[in-house]
Amino acid sequence: QKEVEQDPGPLSVPEGAIVSLNCTYSNSAFQYFMWYRQYSRKGPELLMYTYSSGNKEDGRFTAQVDKSSKYISLFIRDSQPSDSATYLCAMSASGGSYIPTFGRGTSLIVHP
Amino acid sequence: SAVISQKPSRDICQRGTSLTIQCQVDSQVTMMFWYRQQPGQSLTLIATANQGSEATYESGFVIDKFPISRPNLTFSTLTVSNMSPEDSSIYLCSVAQLTGHTEAFFGQGTRLTVV
Repeated sequence: QKEVEQDPGPLSVPEGAIVSLNCTYSNSAFQYFMWYRQYSRKGPELLMYTYSSGNKEDGRFTAQVDKSSKYISLFIRDSQPSDSATYLCAMSASGGSYIPTFGRGTSLIVHP
Repeated sequence: SAVISQKPSRDICQRGTSLTIQCQVDSQVTMMFWYRQQPGQSLTLIATANQGSEATYESGFVIDKFPISRPNLTFSTLTVSNMSPEDSSIYLCSVAQLTGHTEAFFGQGTRLTVV
């Protein structure tokens, strides 16, 4: 079992839909959770960053962490075609050196 | 956030040759990393570039194949040596500060094709 599991998709939704992207993990030491967006032929861009459990909202994006279930989610409200990209989750443990473990990414397609 | 300039952005190389990828950051950073991303796959960490000392390589990656330099806190290079078609991939530079715990930023990547 990989440390971080993420369904590669593709996930295809109509414009305006609420999108839910998810990752599960097995390492209970993970404390920091990140979501990156990667457009085709570009490097990953940090979207959201949360520490420990709970929710964090930024505009149309909400990141949710459930450490008891080892499950994290990214919600996108009112999705737009410009949201079409690959979304990677990443997580790391506290203390020591910072080296995140990445999921394989979910390809999202928002069609007009 | 840090601005990372990575070059070349893409290249097509003959097998058996070597390619050096450069990563320049607009500010001093604590940590610099090199990743590989193959189509449809996640990011795989190649090594952590250490300023003034040898890089720390992950399992499956060796210095002879992927020599790395980091002469200062804003610049690093990754060389892909004696290339084969299996080295065709996207190579990404990433940086992070270690003030508490902060997020990592990525360069735009180098798309390498070996023929």
